[in-house]
Amino acid sequence: KQEVTQIPAALSVPEGENLVLNCSFTDSAIYNLQWFRQDPGKGLTSLLLIQSSQREQTSGRLNASLDKSSGRSTLYIAASQPGDSATYLCAAFNSGGSNYKLTFGKGTLLTVNP
Amino acid sequence: GAGVSQSPSNKVTEKGKDVELRCDPISGHTALYWYRQSLGQGLEFLIYFQGNSAPDKSGLPSDRFSAERTGGSVSTLTIQRTQQEDSAVYLCASSQDRVQPQHFGDGTRLSIL
Repeated sequence: KQEVTQIPAALSVPEGENLVLNCSFTDSAIYNLQWFRQDPGKGLTSLLLIQSSQREQTSGRLNASLDKSSGRSTLYIAASQPGDSATYLCAAFNSGGSNYKLTFGKGTLLTVNP
Repeated sequence: GAGVSQSPSNKVTEKGKDVELRCDPISGHTALYWYRQSLGQGLEFLIYFQGNSAPDKSGLPSDRFSAERTGGSVSTLTIQRTQQEDSAVYLCASSQDRVQPQHFGDGTRLSIL
């Protein structure tokens, strides 16, 4: 059974700092790994998706890396802004047989202070 | 184009009542998923549909929970005889096919009094 852990659970930084959010997963046979953002009272917005054959993906100030063999992914946010404040969720997607689902970590609550 | 739409956005009901939650996926998406987000538990998978059939119902917490999908489109999650522990945000997602990225709705916030 896939289990996903995110560290830290919460993070508070001053505006402008670079930061790293960590995600680990127990079953390395993933199809892909996604990072999502969730604002209070809202659904999930997909930030980056890394296929199992890829090592990293970049979008603007965001960079996500994947090390399948060690069961780890990191989300790097450069030059953080107050608008980045949200909960960031990591999710591993496993596929096969009848099993096609995302397993989520519990998230990192990020606060960027002006 | 329209995203995943869920209704109602909020639902408050008394313990013991039945509730129905609706999900309208993105047009043309064949795969549809239901997840539940509770305080302290994070986001948990409930059920997955491919077309109108549900190959994986492993996340449904009890037989009070059921879901159906009709016409390969709209899905309804039904909770019978609601309990206070059913209070959560219920999120629906759809994808073009079962291995494509999932797109999420804003969820239904369910509160059981």
